[in-house]
Amino acid sequence: EAGVAQSPRYKIIEKRQSVAFWCNPISGHATLYWYQQILGQGPKLLIQFQNNGVVDDSQLPKDRFSAERLKGVDSTLKIQPAKLEDSAVYLCASSAHGLPQFFGPGTRLTVL
Amino acid sequence: AQSVSQHNHHVILSEAASLELGCNYSYGGTVNLFWYVQYPGQHLQLLLKYFSGDPLVKGIKGFEAEFIKSKFSFNLRKPSVQWSDTAEYFCAVKANAGNMLTFGGGTRLMVKP
Repeated sequence: EAGVAQSPRYKIIEKRQSVAFWCNPISGHATLYWYQQILGQGPKLLIQFQNNGVVDDSQLPKDRFSAERLKGVDSTLKIQPAKLEDSAVYLCASSAHGLPQFFGPGTRLTVL
Repeated sequence: AQSVSQHNHHVILSEAASLELGCNYSYGGTVNLFWYVQYPGQHLQLLLKYFSGDPLVKGIKGFEAEFIKSKFSFNLRKPSVQWSDTAEYFCAVKANAGNMLTFGGGTRLMVKP
């Protein structure tokens, strides 16, 4: 069974630039999650989708972060404009019927 | 809001030593509990989980964890660690009433050969 795919694996941008991350969940998984993992900390949930609807985005900084899952499969997470403190690993996870969640390899973002 | 505490940030052990990593959470209701592991250069993987029933849960690679409701704890144990157990370990909690999985800050384990 293929796992959760994410791209790119690494991204370096300057502050105030925009960036987008892509996630392809495990086939058949209705629930998709985006997490932010700052160095030395545990992952923090940014947004959770159930199919193409948002279940929880209470911790998403909506002034600069946006996410969509238009067809209920792939998802993109965008940051516009990026700040230095956005440097982190962005993890995508998916699950069927709730938990447990399966994680992708993450995208490591460095904002200079 | 629920929170998860992992008090040991770094642990260094020799091979064959016993391991216990602490995890405490703050939530008074029913919870689901998890331990995830991240080996160097790899993604997060589920080690074990507790939903209900026997509070002593056995996971992969000889790991186990015990849910003690009165102490709000879910400590991870392994009787004899191996060099290959070198990794970062994350405890996570989900309140039954909600959707959010809350992670602890992680414990970085280094096992010396």
